[in-house]
Amino acid sequence: NAGVTQTPKFRILKIGQSMTLQCTQDMNHNYMYWYRQDPGMGLKLIYYSVGAGITDKGEVPNGYNVSRSTTEDFPLRLELAAPSQTSVYFCATGGGGLAGGLGTDTQYFGPGTRLTVL
Amino acid sequence: GNSVTQMEGPVTLSEEAFLTINCTYTATGYPSLFWYVQYPGEGLQLLLKATKADDKGSNKGFEATYRKETTSFHLEKGSVQVSDSAVYFCALGTGTASKLTFGTGTRLQVTL
Repeated sequence: NAGVTQTPKFRILKIGQSMTLQCTQDMNHNYMYWYRQDPGMGLKLIYYSVGAGITDKGEVPNGYNVSRSTTEDFPLRLELAAPSQTSVYFCATGGGGLAGGLGTDTQYFGPGTRLTVL
Repeated sequence: GNSVTQMEGPVTLSEEAFLTINCTYTATGYPSLFWYVQYPGEGLQLLLKATKADDKGSNKGFEATYRKETTSFHLEKGSVQVSDSAVYFCALGTGTASKLTFGTGTRLQVTL
């Protein structure tokens, strides 16, 4: 099993360009998440999804869009890239099981995409 | 809102030294608490977790105890190795979607 895969690994964009960061999982997990990690900072949640067709905003959603048409894929779209979006982006999944109670789910992270906007 | 505060790094230790990385949190309700580790060039992976007060999470010689009275979840290891060099993130999880709130991370460098 590949787990959580992300493409591309690296990308440089010019201001105003658009791109899609891909995330695919083969863990059959319901929950998927997008985070960004700025230098010296913790991860911030951008968007998340609790299942195909259902998405919701996280802490820092401005400038991004997502869709979830299948269980496996959760792409993140940047429409008009800005320098403030220079960051490392991580996709994560979780089984969403509530057997242990609310908030107990372990998340599994992809290797990340390093994006630079110039 | 929820927040996590952890000690700033970098922390530099000699091999076999004792490690403590402090973590405190603010949350409504009853969060779960996690330590994730990020090795160079990789994504985060779960190190250990605790889901209720007084629980102790442990893995690979690392331990942390969920202390509700002090709102803390400090990470400890009795004897670190060079291979433990990484960035360690404390996090809390809440809600049905298990959304995570992360601390800023602590870089650990272990030298021979």
